Amino acid sequence: AQSVTQLDSHVSVSEGTPVLLRCNYSSSYSPSLFWYVQHPNKGLQLLLKYTSAATLVKGINGFEAEFKKSETSFHLTKPSAHMSDAAEYFCVVSDRLGNFNKFYFGSGTKLNVKP
Amino acid sequence: NAGVTQTPKFQVLKTGQSMTLQCAQDMNHEYMSWYRQDPGMGLRLIHYSVGAGITDQGEVPNGYNVSRSTTEDFPLRLLSAAPSQTSVYFCASSSGTLNEKLFFGSGTQLSVL
Repeated sequence: AQSVTQLDSHVSVSEGTPVLLRCNYSSSYSPSLFWYVQHPNKGLQLLLKYTSAATLVKGINGFEAEFKKSETSFHLTKPSAHMSDAAEYFCVVSDRLGNFNKFYFGSGTKLNVKP
Repeated sequence: NAGVTQTPKFQVLKTGQSMTLQCAQDMNHEYMSWYRQDPGMGLRLIHYSVGAGITDQGEVPNGYNVSRSTTEDFPLRLLSAAPSQTSVYFCASSSGTLNEKLFFGSGTQLSVL
């Protein structure tokens, strides 16, 4: 089975400074990887996904993530944090069930953005 | 376009009561799933379905039942609620295409007293 480890449960940055949210995965083959964001009292929204086409993936709201197979990592970054980025972020790996995916979520990283 | 609709949004139960959380999607998705979200534990898969009449267990299935009689609906049943089932529940669907994203409902906050 696949698994995901998010290395930080909380990250705090100042507005305008870079964001780094770390994720390591375990997979027996080339995985599909995703980052989802959950704003307070909201459902989850897809930020970006990696599907083996390109190792650097760009998502919505200026976020991007780099797939590094040698490090089994898929860290999420943003050059300059905005107050609206304050949310919880989930790294997700998928496992194939025939023609379908089964999704495994990390424990989440809460991002706090200070003015 | 409604997407994934969950009802109710909030529910309070007493220990031992039963209830059904409803989930419906209008995107003709084959894959549907239920997750529970607890602080510091991310989302854990309860049950999932890859089509009408086909269901299977996820990571934490105990205390929950599901059925899938139509493509659109995937209800989650708590037969005898326990305080350990206090959580936020999310329904999600996917088209089933490889690498396709999940579409989430807005969640149900359940408290079992």
